[in-house]
Amino acid sequence: ETGVTQTPRHLVMGMTNKKSLKCEQHLGHNAMYWYKQSAKKPLELMFVYSLEERVENNSVPSRFSPECPNSSHLFLHLHTLQPEDSALYLCASSGSGTSGWKGAYNEQFFGPGTRLTVL
Amino acid sequence: GENVEQHPSTLSVQEGDSAVIKCTYSDSASNYFPWYKQELGKRPQLIIDIRSNVGEKKDQRIAVTLNKTAKHFSLHITETQPEDSAVYFCAASGSYQLTFGKGTKLSVIP
Repeated sequence: ETGVTQTPRHLVMGMTNKKSLKCEQHLGHNAMYWYKQSAKKPLELMFVYSLEERVENNSVPSRFSPECPNSSHLFLHLHTLQPEDSALYLCASSGSGTSGWKGAYNEQFFGPGTRLTVL
Repeated sequence: GENVEQHPSTLSVQEGDSAVIKCTYSDSASNYFPWYKQELGKRPQLIIDIRSNVGEKKDQRIAVTLNKTAKHFSLHITETQPEDSAVYFCAASGSYQLTFGKGTKLSVIP
């Protein structure tokens, strides 16, 4: 499969559950991102990874824990979430282009998202 | 950090008319400005982008203009069609990230 894929596409969990979201990119990119999309904040950056190292964390609550084992895979581990965490979680990837690794200067390719509902 | 303001939040146009969406940004160091289109239930996809060394870029019915002095950039869609109906996001590049505007919901009325 090409592009950026995410699993699962839909997830319903209780506040005491532990679950993980998975993202995989088949584009040879070296930067990956997690975004949260909700009605209040349409595209809110959560984490940025470049070459498997986290380089940006926009003060996301510790109940969200990212993991990037290699440049093709990105996980978001979830535990003790709150109902307000219900949203669409989008993964994206980008290449380094001519600006070095800084994927912000190049097109980001998004996955289809995981629709998360926290009960 | 970077702050991106996008207007209007909703826009309705008649089919065949033009649509303009405007964004302003705060960080004068930003030098990459993409526009994404997100159709209902689908992922955001890049439709056009512009870098700071260029003032205008066109791709068929879509154009983007950039005014670095005023720190604003705009998306222009001409001869709108029903399939242009979607949410459009502007963004500006920061040090390691894109900062997105809050989106504009464009409705093209047949």
